[in-house]
Amino acid sequence: AQKVTQAQTEISVVEKEDVTLDCVYETRDTTYYLFWYKQPPSGELVFLIRRNSFDEQNEISGRYSWNFQKSTSSFNFTITASQVVDSAVYFCALREPNNAGNMLTFGGGTRLMVKP
Amino acid sequence: EPEVTQTPSHQVTQMGQEVILRCVPISNHLYFYWYRQILGQKVEFLVSFYNNEISEKSEIFDDQFSVERPDGSNFTLKIRSTKLEDSAMYFCASSGSWDSRGNQPQHFGDGTRLSIL
Repeated sequence: AQKVTQAQTEISVVEKEDVTLDCVYETRDTTYYLFWYKQPPSGELVFLIRRNSFDEQNEISGRYSWNFQKSTSSFNFTITASQVVDSAVYFCALREPNNAGNMLTFGGGTRLMVKP
Repeated sequence: EPEVTQTPSHQVTQMGQEVILRCVPISNHLYFYWYRQILGQKVEFLVSFYNNEISEKSEIFDDQFSVERPDGSNFTLKIRSTKLEDSAMYFCASSGSWDSRGNQPQHFGDGTRLSIL
């Protein structure tokens, strides 16, 4: 079973639209960590946010906001007033502390295309 | 801002040849990682390294792979006898010690695109 599921493989919006990228995760741990990374067309992975399972406060950073819902095991990412520069693949990732190596388990990614 | 650097950015190698991918993690980080991403697919964990030894490895990381921290700054991934299916983007990452909020995020390098011919 997938530990991190990003059901939307591709989303296309027009500039200035709001868009939400879904992430659903699966873990037996009571403490865990969730991350979002951005992969622009140039290929690098850019860290966006870390969320601890015991910190349920939602976070906003400029046009980006994250909605962590423990009850539904979801950690969704919303971009408000999208811009062309937001076009990228976005990955959600999970880190479970019971694995010794700090490994991240990534979802399959959502390709976001923002058209002018 | 300090960053993880990887060299080369693109490596082309004949099948069966050995290849070494190099990484310089962020200087005060203690945990080091390699991931790979086959074109168009998700990022997959290969191996993590802490205190001069492998702390975890995935099924992908078989006997043809090895990692080394030969000095205080470099962290290398060696593929002993490359196969066509090793063609992928290889990402190095590093993270610092735990902070009050728990696990530090992993910071990734820009990747090395490995093409096996």
